Amino acid sequence: EVQLVESGGGLVQPGGSLRLSCAASAFTFSDYVMSWVRQAPGKGLEWVSAISKSGDRTYYADSVKGRFTISRDNPQNTQYLQMDTLRAEDTAVYYCAKGGWLDSWGQGTLVTVSS
Amino acid sequence: DIQMTQSPSSLSASVGDRVTLTCRASQGIGIDLAWFQQKPGKAPKRLIYAASTLESGVPLRFSGSGSGTEFTLTISSLQPEDFATYYCLHYNTYPRTFGQGTHLEI
Repeated sequence: EVQLVESGGGLVQPGGSLRLSCAASAFTFSDYVMSWVRQAPGKGLEWVSAISKSGDRTYYADSVKGRFTISRDNPQNTQYLQMDTLRAEDTAVYYCAKGGWLDSWGQGTLVTVSS
Repeated sequence: DIQMTQSPSSLSASVGDRVTLTCRASQGIGIDLAWFQQKPGKAPKRLIYAASTLESGVPLRFSGSGSGTEFTLTISSLQPEDFATYYCLHYNTYPRTFGQGTHLEI
């Protein structure tokens, strides 16, 4: 069964940085696009970013473009989301998802941006 | 960017009811649409992809239809475990976009 395990969330001050990780197992990681989706408290789902199988192409929502960077390490079956210049409105549960069409999801990691 | 609009935003129904949720795209997306179910405190779960293909293990009371700009998710006979929030997602281009969700309550 596909497993996606996020880590790296926590409390950070506005303007700070955080790096999320997503460890994948039970599928051939390098065969799939990988994505990040977030959900602010009490709000709906927001697609954040995606990365191609080889990592040579990346895609971002306008709300995070220029501040967030997605990357992946195929030998380590792990994808990352580097989040810089964080704002209060980035507070959310961040989910890792498999594929460009999000067929499997992790349990999420909470990022709180607050002073 | 493609915008996705779901209706209604919330819906009250009873066990055994047949309900239909709608999702509209701001431009044609073929059948590049998925439906997700989310229960409180849990990660979303994909129910349907390619507008009408049921994910393995999803009960047959769920069905999806549509193409282009208008899509529906139908639950033929609501069960207690179906009360949740439902989201559509287009995956036709980047950026992907979710609808704002339909909260289905008893």
